Amino acid sequence: GQQVMQIPQYQHVQEGEDFTTYCNSSTTLSNIQWYKQRPGGHPVFLIQLVKSGEVKKQKRLTFQFGEAKKNSSLHITATQTTDVGTYFCAGPGTKAGKSTFGDGTTLTVKP
Amino acid sequence: ETGVTQTPRHLVMGMTNKKSLKCEQHLGHNAMYWYKQSAKKPLELMFVYSLEERVENNSVPSRFSPECPNSSHLFLHLHTLQPEDSALYLCASSQGTALYEQYFGPGTRLTVT
Repeated sequence: GQQVMQIPQYQHVQEGEDFTTYCNSSTTLSNIQWYKQRPGGHPVFLIQLVKSGEVKKQKRLTFQFGEAKKNSSLHITATQTTDVGTYFCAGPGTKAGKSTFGDGTTLTVKP
Repeated sequence: ETGVTQTPRHLVMGMTNKKSLKCEQHLGHNAMYWYKQSAKKPLELMFVYSLEERVENNSVPSRFSPECPNSSHLFLHLHTLQPEDSALYLCASSQGTALYEQYFGPGTRLTVT
């Protein structure tokens, strides 16, 4: 089935440093979603990208969808301790409703 | 956030017990999902219901039995579980099953002894 691979698995940064997580697929994706899960919490939807080459921003977060719609990235500028958590990308599955989540990137931020 | 609620939040059960997890969504959504989250596999999709009809069963063992009596409620019935079934069970809902974001509940932390 369709899979999305996410890297890196873990990222440790100093507060104020930038952070990027990447999501890659071997097949073209109709859309890609990003979620954030705080420690002890549940995944929360952040954004959805649909168009080739699309770039969306939410404050310090920048989301990109590749031109070929096979990869996506989430970039956080000047990380803060509130950014800690696991960031998941999710692509559509081969069947209706079967979203495929990446394994996530867990971000820790040292004050 | 109270859009999707789950009970109980924590559950400890023996391998011979029968228990049920409950999920309720107050968002007027048409699709509901069960996920298993463990350290080995972060988010495994188990079941999908769309308009109360099961549209996906992701090769889940029969000791897990879902039930969706209406579009607002979803249950996961558990029986004769194994210790490796210990995990966080997350319920989610969405407006539909294509190109719609999912709203997750807080999860049930299950421990099988």
